[in-house]
Amino acid sequence: SYELTQPPSVSVSPGQTARITCSGNALPKKYAYWYQQKSGQAPVLVIYEDSKRPSGIPERFSGSSSGTMATLTISGAQVEDEADYYCYSTDSNVNHRVFGGGTKVTVL
Amino acid sequence: QVQLQESGPGLVKPSETLSLTCTVSGGSISSYYWSWIRQPPGKGLEWVGCIYKSGSTDYNPSLKSRVTISRDTSKNQFSLRLYSVTAADTAVYYCARDWHSGRNTNYMDVWGKGTTVTVSS
Repeated sequence: SYELTQPPSVSVSPGQTARITCSGNALPKKYAYWYQQKSGQAPVLVIYEDSKRPSGIPERFSGSSSGTMATLTISGAQVEDEADYYCYSTDSNVNHRVFGGGTKVTVL
Repeated sequence: QVQLQESGPGLVKPSETLSLTCTVSGGSISSYYWSWIRQPPGKGLEWVGCIYKSGSTDYNPSLKSRVTISRDTSKNQFSLRLYSVTAADTAVYYCARDWHSGRNTNYMDVWGKGTTVTVSS
């Protein structure tokens, strides 16, 4: 079955840049999406179609994708950005939805 | 503005059937796709399955033999049934709108708050 691979954790100092990668064989053909999930809350979409930002999401969140790797970048990370981040996409053939394992971002 | 609310028993016995309903407001259930996603305690998100505008369904291969997703257009609801549950099915279950995007990719853009289901005797 299709898998998306993320690092388990990323640490960053306030004001610095955090980058989270997501690798998947279908990413050259499929868009990547990123969800932020804070403790006890439902996930919130922060990036869609590789690099687009939904309304209300701060500009410090950006996304990119090249080949089999998608990247979420938090520029000037804030303490309130501490959360789990999940990449998401679909399988290239049967359109099954898949989440990456999640990356815990710590800002301290 | 579409809103979703999950409902159902919070406790299910092993080997029994987990049944949840998602009530949609602010939009017609017939106009969109809809998905169920779950999250075991302390673990990541797992897509369970979806139901399309046509009423056809698609399921996570790892759960396909035990899952049914259906809808009731008269009540603007869709439902999840998971059969023969075990402790491994204990999770927060979310319903979400499943949006068809470019490159034939679907994603969840609106989520419910989630409901916790515990499988225990």
